[in-house]
Amino acid sequence: DQQVKQNSPSLSVQEGRISILNCDYTNSMFDYFLWYKKYPAEGPTFLISISSIKDKNEDGRFTVFLNKSAKHLSLHIVPSQPGDSAVYFCAASAGRTSYDKVIFGPGTSLSVIP
Amino acid sequence: NAGVTQTPKFQVLKTGQSMTLQCAQDMNHEYMSWYRQDPGMGLRLIHYSVGAGITDQGEVPNGYNVSRSTTEDFPLRLLSAAPSQTSVYFCASSYSGDPEAFFGQGTRLTVV
Repeated sequence: DQQVKQNSPSLSVQEGRISILNCDYTNSMFDYFLWYKKYPAEGPTFLISISSIKDKNEDGRFTVFLNKSAKHLSLHIVPSQPGDSAVYFCAASAGRTSYDKVIFGPGTSLSVIP
Repeated sequence: NAGVTQTPKFQVLKTGQSMTLQCAQDMNHEYMSWYRQDPGMGLRLIHYSVGAGITDQGEVPNGYNVSRSTTEDFPLRLLSAAPSQTSVYFCASSYSGDPEAFFGQGTRLTVV
């Protein structure tokens, strides 16, 4: 059973609009969450993270929101650009060190249409 | 800095063959790991290492061996390849205090 779920395999958004990528988790021990971005034929690259002591973290056009009671987080991209077209992985860990195993979701493929 | 380097990028194996996927990092990271990516499954942890001489199993370790003799290198060995090991493999590394990982470009492995 997947502990980290991304129920939308794909998403299409018009350039300039907001992209919202959703992620749900089942393990209440998870307290640190990450988003990675992956282009074809490349490895994932770290995008943004959030600790469970926060409910929002912002980095430029990217904002992650965390709703602990719902075990749900979302990544907002505003405004969306064609270069944002990629697969986005949500990931979670029970702890904020690299020794804590990170569990990845299946990914959401975002297409930003010019 | 080259970051995390994986070789080869592509490989086709016959069932029962063995091979080693190479991974090297030049960032002096203590933590290194191997993932496999399969459609609809995300990235699943195979093995990881918290430092030279120390390795441990991840979520899907069966059929794979690892060793860590140096900080820089973390090879992944397939002892007897099976079609179920057809996947894209990623090596990653990070500082010991950070879960944010740096990934290699991946190795696409096909077992026929």
